[in-house]
Amino acid sequence: LAKTTQPISMDSYEGQEVNITCSHNNIATNDYITWYQQFPSQGPRFIIQGYKTKVTNEVASLFIPADRKSSTLSLPRVSLSDTAVYYCLVVSGNYQLIWGAGTKLIIKP
Amino acid sequence: NAGVMQNPRHLVRRRGQEARLRCSPMKGHSHVYWYRQLPEEGLKFMVYLQKENIIDESGMPKERFSAEFPKEGPSILRIQQVVRGDSAAYFCASSPEVTGGGYNEQFFGPGTRLTVL
Repeated sequence: LAKTTQPISMDSYEGQEVNITCSHNNIATNDYITWYQQFPSQGPRFIIQGYKTKVTNEVASLFIPADRKSSTLSLPRVSLSDTAVYYCLVVSGNYQLIWGAGTKLIIKP
Repeated sequence: NAGVMQNPRHLVRRRGQEARLRCSPMKGHSHVYWYRQLPEEGLKFMVYLQKENIIDESGMPKERFSAEFPKEGPSILRIQQVVRGDSAAYFCASSPEVTGGGYNEQFFGPGTRLTVL
C-alpha cells in the first residue's frame, strides 16, 4: 500500500507561490493523487486530483513526475485566506484511501 | 442540490452513553466515508461504505464503534459506551459511484462535534 508523507507545516508570504510536496513511494498503477484543503472547524474541500504529469484548475496546479512517487501541489500567488491545512490523499483502484497527516500552511502579510 | 448534511452539529454525552451521528449524502451519491479528527490533529479515516455494504473499515476501532448505510435513510455512525477520548469532530463525506481507477472526489459535511463529559 502507498504511504503518504508530507511536511507538518510551512510558512509563506502573501503574493508568493507555495509548493507542498507529498511522497508516496509505493503508489500503484491504478492509484490517483488528490489534494484537499481544510479550514478550522470545517470539513475538507477537494482542490485537485491527478494521475500523472500536470493538472491545473482555477485554484491550483498539481505536478506529478514520471515515476509518480511524489506529487507537488502548487498554489500561485497565495493570500492570507489560503492559510489552512492541506492533505494529500492516494486513492487506490481497489477503493483504499491513504491520507497524509496534513500540512499546516500559514500565510503571513 | 444540497450538500452533505450531518446532524446533530453538536452532541454532548456522558461517559457510558451512546452517541449516534447521522449523515445524509449528496443526492445521487452512493458512497459514504466517516472520519474522526481529534483537537489539533489531522483527519483520520474510519470507514468507507456503499449502500448496505462496508467497503473498508480498516480505520474503525475494534470495539464500541459501528457504522451502517442502509438502503433507505442516512448513514449512521454509532459509538457505544462513550469515553472522554471519543471527544472529537466526526466528518462524513460522500462521493458518486466510482467509475474507474482511483478517481474519487469526496464532498464533506460540516461535521458533528462530540463532547463526552
